[in-house]
Amino acid sequence: GEDVEQSLFLSVREGDSSVINCTYTDSSSTYLYWYKQEPGAGLQLLTYIFSNMDMKQDQRLTVLLNKKDKHLSLRIADTQTGDSAIYFCAEVTWNTGNQFYFGTGTSLTVIP
Amino acid sequence: DTGVSQDPRHKITKRGQNVTFRCDPISEHNRLYWYRQTLGQGPEFLTYFQNEAQLEKSRLLSDRFSAERPKGSFSTLEIQRTEQGDSAMYLCASSVGPRGAEQFFGPGTRLTVL
Repeated sequence: GEDVEQSLFLSVREGDSSVINCTYTDSSSTYLYWYKQEPGAGLQLLTYIFSNMDMKQDQRLTVLLNKKDKHLSLRIADTQTGDSAIYFCAEVTWNTGNQFYFGTGTSLTVIP
Repeated sequence: DTGVSQDPRHKITKRGQNVTFRCDPISEHNRLYWYRQTLGQGPEFLTYFQNEAQLEKSRLLSDRFSAERPKGSFSTLEIQRTEQGDSAMYLCASSVGPRGAEQFFGPGTRLTVL
């Protein structure tokens, strides 16, 4: 199956920017998603990007997609303590359009 | 409708027992998914329904697992003869629209097999 990888931990100070990275292997990706999971809660969609885009901005969130390197990033500007959570990237491909392949998740800790 | 709901939220059972979980998707969503998430991992796809038809099943879904969506609305996931390795969070998601469209997740059912 598809392989989606993320670094496990990230720690930033409140007010700084956070950058969470994700790499994937399948070049036929269609959509790439970022989900947030807080303790005891389900996954909440943050944003997504279609594979023919390079960048998408949504308020404090900026998604960058480098298709050549199969690299996706999520930048959170002015990170707040409420942003502390686990962040998952997920990939959907032409071949697996009904399955989301999730990364292992990045645990973001925001230090006050 | 406030979103995808799952019941129960927590289930503790003894090895060898059968358990059944329920998922109620967002009402107009015709696609329904089941995922399993273990500690420190992302969700792994189990199975997918379009309306009442089960169209895809993962290799992870052993013969002890069965899922139904009899009327194309709610779905149930049953695990027979539970094993300790079945302990995980079971997530349900639903979507509407084309393949790859955003999936909305429920809060999950946490299963602990003793």
